Amino acid sequence: SQTIHQWPATLVQPVGSPLSLECTVEGTSNPNLYWYRQAAGRGLQLLFYSVGIGQISSEVPQNLSASRPQDRQFILSSKKLLLSDSGFYLCAWSRGLYQGETQYFGPGTRLLVL
Amino acid sequence: AQTVTQSQPEMSVQEAETVTLSCTYDTSESDYYLFWYKQPPSRQMILVIRQEAYKQQNATENRFSVNFQKAAKSFSLKISDSQLGDAAMYFCAYRSADTGTASKLTFGTGTRLQVTL
Repeated sequence: SQTIHQWPATLVQPVGSPLSLECTVEGTSNPNLYWYRQAAGRGLQLLFYSVGIGQISSEVPQNLSASRPQDRQFILSSKKLLLSDSGFYLCAWSRGLYQGETQYFGPGTRLLVL
Repeated sequence: AQTVTQSQPEMSVQEAETVTLSCTYDTSESDYYLFWYKQPPSRQMILVIRQEAYKQQNATENRFSVNFQKAAKSFSLKISDSQLGDAAMYFCAYRSADTGTASKLTFGTGTRLQVTL
């Protein structure tokens, strides 16, 4: 079976510090990978998605970037965090065989920027 | 652009009763997919049920079923025999079948469901 991991689970960072959140998927190959952000009391907003190694598409211009150095690894980064980067970050994967494929979410990372 | 609207910020249901959560969406596309996700206090998003727009038959998963009205662009979720473990935020989501949109999910703002004894 497939599993998706995210770490860290919780992170408190000062404004201006760098960020690196990691997501890995097990039990599948060549998945589509996604980063979402959920602000308090709101729905999810897609930040980045990737259909393969080194292939990143950005949905929302912002202070964040994403990379996919390996097939099942997806990293969300920032060089300098802003207060507005606080939120709950969710990674998701889908098989990507066709557009209707369901997305499955990881446990999420709670980020607080002070 | 597609939009998803959940007009009920909060709902409450007694244990063992039935509750219906509403969702409407706006799209000009004819082929798409709709989902209901559950987010318990742990905040992990869990798929509840999925519906393909080209299928007329409403999807069902155990105690969960949907009422999909394509012409009205409505996609409600019915939870039967509600259990305490059903208490969570429920999100409706839309996904285009267009291969050019690369699988983007558009979410509603969610409905918080409380289950009481």
